[in-house]
Amino acid sequence: QVQLEQSEHEVKKPGASVKVSCKASGYTFASHGISWVRQAPGQGLEWVGWITAYNGHTKYADKFQGRVTMTTDTSTTTAYMQLRTLRSDDTAVYYCARVEMLRYLESFLPSRHDYWGQGTLVTVSS
Amino acid sequence: DIQMTQSPSSLSASVGDRVTITCQASQDVGKYVHWYQQKVGKAPKLLIYDGSILETGAPSRFSGSGSGTDFTFTINSLQPEDVATYYCQQCDDVPVTFGQGTRLEI
Repeated sequence: QVQLEQSEHEVKKPGASVKVSCKASGYTFASHGISWVRQAPGQGLEWVGWITAYNGHTKYADKFQGRVTMTTDTSTTTAYMQLRTLRSDDTAVYYCARVEMLRYLESFLPSRHDYWGQGTLVTVSS
Repeated sequence: DIQMTQSPSSLSASVGDRVTITCQASQDVGKYVHWYQQKVGKAPKLLIYDGSILETGAPSRFSGSGSGTDFTFTINSLQPEDVATYYCQQCDDVPVTFGQGTRLEI
């Protein structure tokens, strides 16, 4: 069965960086993408970006551009999201999700997010 | 960015009721709208994709319709376990965007 297992909760100080992992199992890792979605306390869902596992192509939401890096390790079927220069408003639960890839011209777009990790709470506090 | 305007933001209904949630996109998104259920303290769960396709394993009381800019999500015969927040999502273009969510109470 498809599973996405995320790393444990993190507490960071403002200005620090955090790297969250997402270990995938139960499917062909390279055939799908991985999205990262965050949810601040009591708020809705916010898409951070995604990565195509087969070639590492990324697309980030504009507000995170320059502060976020998404990578994958196909040998361990693990995806990573690093967020730098953390601020208090980055406090949120960060989810990874498996994404169906939709062919668009010479590339892919993310489509439905059909399996989700359990979430990783990142707390940014001085 | 494509804005997804979801309504209502909250609603209360009774067991057995039919519940409808709508989502309006700021531009044509074709059929690429998906619906998720999120229970308190849990990750979102995909229920409907590509506007109207029921995800494998999702109960048949959930349904979706629409294309272009206007989409509807329906729960027929509401059950106690349907208490959750529901989100629409567009995947026609990046960035992927979500509606604000609808909190459903019984």
